[in-house]
Amino acid sequence: GENVEQHPSTLSVQEGDSAVIKCTYSDSASNYFPWYKQELGKGPQLIIDIRSNVGEKKDQRIAVTLNKTAKHFSLHITETQPEDSAVYFCAASMDTGNQFYFGTGTSLTVIP
Amino acid sequence: GAVVSQHPSRVICKSGTSVKIECRSLDFQATTMFWYRQFPKQSLMLMATSNEGSKATYEQGVEKDKFLINHASLTLSTLTVTSAHPEDSSFYICSARTSGGWEFFGPGTRLTVL
Repeated sequence: GENVEQHPSTLSVQEGDSAVIKCTYSDSASNYFPWYKQELGKGPQLIIDIRSNVGEKKDQRIAVTLNKTAKHFSLHITETQPEDSAVYFCAASMDTGNQFYFGTGTSLTVIP
Repeated sequence: GAVVSQHPSRVICKSGTSVKIECRSLDFQATTMFWYRQFPKQSLMLMATSNEGSKATYEQGVEKDKFLINHASLTLSTLTVTSAHPEDSSFYICSARTSGGWEFFGPGTRLTVL
C-alpha cells in the first residue's frame, strides 16, 4: 500500500518568514495530494490540493509543489502569521474514490 | 468548501455504556463517508469506510462489533462505540467525500470514557 512520510514533525518560524513542509509518497499511482490544517480540538480543514497533472498550485500565501518523478510534494506558506500556527497534514490518494493516506503531521508554530 | 457537521462535539460516559456519534454532510450528498480516530499529537487513523446503503468496510485491527457504523442516507453516517472502555477515549473524526473527490472533515468528537 501507499506510505506517506512527512517532515519536519515540528517547525517554528518567526512571523513573516516562510515555512516549508515536505512529504514523500511511495506509490506512483497516487494522483491526488491534499493538504489539511488542523487547529487544536478541531477537525482537519482542506487548505490546498494538487493533482498529478499539475506541478504547482498557489492560493494567496499558500502554495504546493509536486515532483512526480521524485514522488514528493511540498507545502509552502509565505509571510507567515500567528494564526497559521496549527498542525498540517499531507495526504495522498490513488483516485477520487480511494482511501487517503495521511502523513504524520507537522506542528507549525509562528512566533510573533 | 462543503460543510460536514458532527454531533456531539464532546461526550463523557461511564465505562460499559454505548455512545453514538453522528456525521452529516450539510450541503452535499456523500456516497462515501470515513471514520477516523486520532490520538493526541498523532495522525489520523482510518477506522472504516462507510458507503450509503451497504455495510461499512473496516480497516485491519478495528473491531466491527465494537464500532458499529451505519450510513442510512446520503447525508448521514453514525458511529456507535459499544460497551465503551477507557481505552476507547479518543478524538473521533468523520469525513465525507464529494462526487468530485474532495474530502471534507467534520469538527471531531472528543470521547472520554470514565
